[in-house]
Amino acid sequence: NAGVTQTPKFQVLKTGQSMTLQCAQDMNHNSMYWYRQDPGMGLRLIYYSASEGTTDKGEVPNGYNVSRLNKREFSLRLESAAPSQTSVYFCASRAPAPELAASSYEQYFGPGTRLTVT
Amino acid sequence: AQSVTQPDIHITVSEGASLELRCNYSYGATPYLFWYVQSPGQGLQLLLKYFSGDTLVQGIKGFEAEFKRSQSSFNLRKPSVHWSDAAEYFCAIMDTGRRALTFGSGTRLQVQP
Repeated sequence: NAGVTQTPKFQVLKTGQSMTLQCAQDMNHNSMYWYRQDPGMGLRLIYYSASEGTTDKGEVPNGYNVSRLNKREFSLRLESAAPSQTSVYFCASRAPAPELAASSYEQYFGPGTRLTVT
Repeated sequence: AQSVTQPDIHITVSEGASLELRCNYSYGATPYLFWYVQSPGQGLQLLLKYFSGDTLVQGIKGFEAEFKRSQSSFNLRKPSVHWSDAAEYFCAIMDTGRRALTFGSGTRLQVQP
């Protein structure tokens, strides 16, 4: 049981290049999330997916697209990278939420992808 | 919209001393609150969470937090800090719709020998 995995761990892009960050979870969770972490700002939600085939924008979606093709995987794509997208990206997943099961609210985070755009 | 404020950007304590990290939130209903810890270069690990009931919650690694509705606070405490506690600590609140987290800006803890 690996939990939440992310690839790659590190990436350097030039302005205008594209790339896809991969995220997978093996906990059979429905909900998955992408956050970015910038110094002094905590983590901010980019996109989230409540279930396979559904996605919704978060707080900072501009410049990103996502894909949830199956229950396990949730990818984040930068079509034309910009220096402002230099950040650490975290993927997270959350168990289904029977309302009285407090443990279902916990989000499990991957190790992160450190992206630099020059 | 909900928000979380961590007033202290950086705190230094001596090993063995007590610790309190402050967290204030803004939310219209009963909040779901979390504390996460992040060691350098690592992901986030959940320390503890509050949903309802007892306002003093116990977490891992000897941490506890107290929810005070009247003060809109959820401060993290530890009676005796260990050098391995040096890390960044994030308070977060969960929205009831998407169940996504809104994080504070974090408090970096340094532990002096």
